[in-house]
Amino acid sequence: DTEVTQTPKHLVMGMTNKKSLKCEQHMGHRAMYWYKQKAKKPPELMFVYSYEKLSINESVPSRFSPECPNSSLLNLHLHALQPEDSALYLCASSQGHDAGAQYFGPGTRLLVL
Amino acid sequence: AQKITQTQPGMFVQEKEAVTLDCTYDTSDPSYGLFWYKQPSSGEMIFLIYQGSYDQQNATEGRYSLNFQKARKSANLVISASQLGDSAMYFCADWEDAGGTSYGKLTFGQGTILTVHP
Repeated sequence: DTEVTQTPKHLVMGMTNKKSLKCEQHMGHRAMYWYKQKAKKPPELMFVYSYEKLSINESVPSRFSPECPNSSLLNLHLHALQPEDSALYLCASSQGHDAGAQYFGPGTRLLVL
Repeated sequence: AQKITQTQPGMFVQEKEAVTLDCTYDTSDPSYGLFWYKQPSSGEMIFLIYQGSYDQQNATEGRYSLNFQKARKSANLVISASQLGDSAMYFCADWEDAGGTSYGKLTFGQGTILTVHP
């Protein structure tokens, strides 16, 4: 069973809506990640939080806004999205030491109409 | 920049047989890590196996083993005794040191879709 949870599992939103994706991990990991994945493509890194601070922003448009309220939670706030933003959004966490494995949540399937 | 290549878009295997999924990598960094993930149609990325660049032996985890050939820069995944539940997309990934901080950046290959036939 995955120890990274994501809500909601599915989300449909209009281009003028504001919504949030939530991710939670209970493994004591200190690094958390957001990935975007289009169908039949590899995941693409969006953001990395390390010790609750934003460490990497892979040139993601400002309509995506990450937030890390504490070491266990990671949010992704969505505003004024475009249809091309429809994708599977995956959250992951890692211990943060050396080449530690990243453990993924089940993802949120987002459809922007 | 590091690069992962998976040359097999799709593979087919008969149930109970073994299958090898190919992965080559390109890095000049002496310290690196290689991962394999499984992604069923449900979407979740499942960590399977890890090989560190300094590990002397090939990694194994149950029915999964990694054929690590450092000189050839290849890290192929071998699945023994395939099961119907092994049908999924498989990604090879390498880990890039993020400059001595507490996280690493994963770069994924394009993936291989494995179909197990009964």
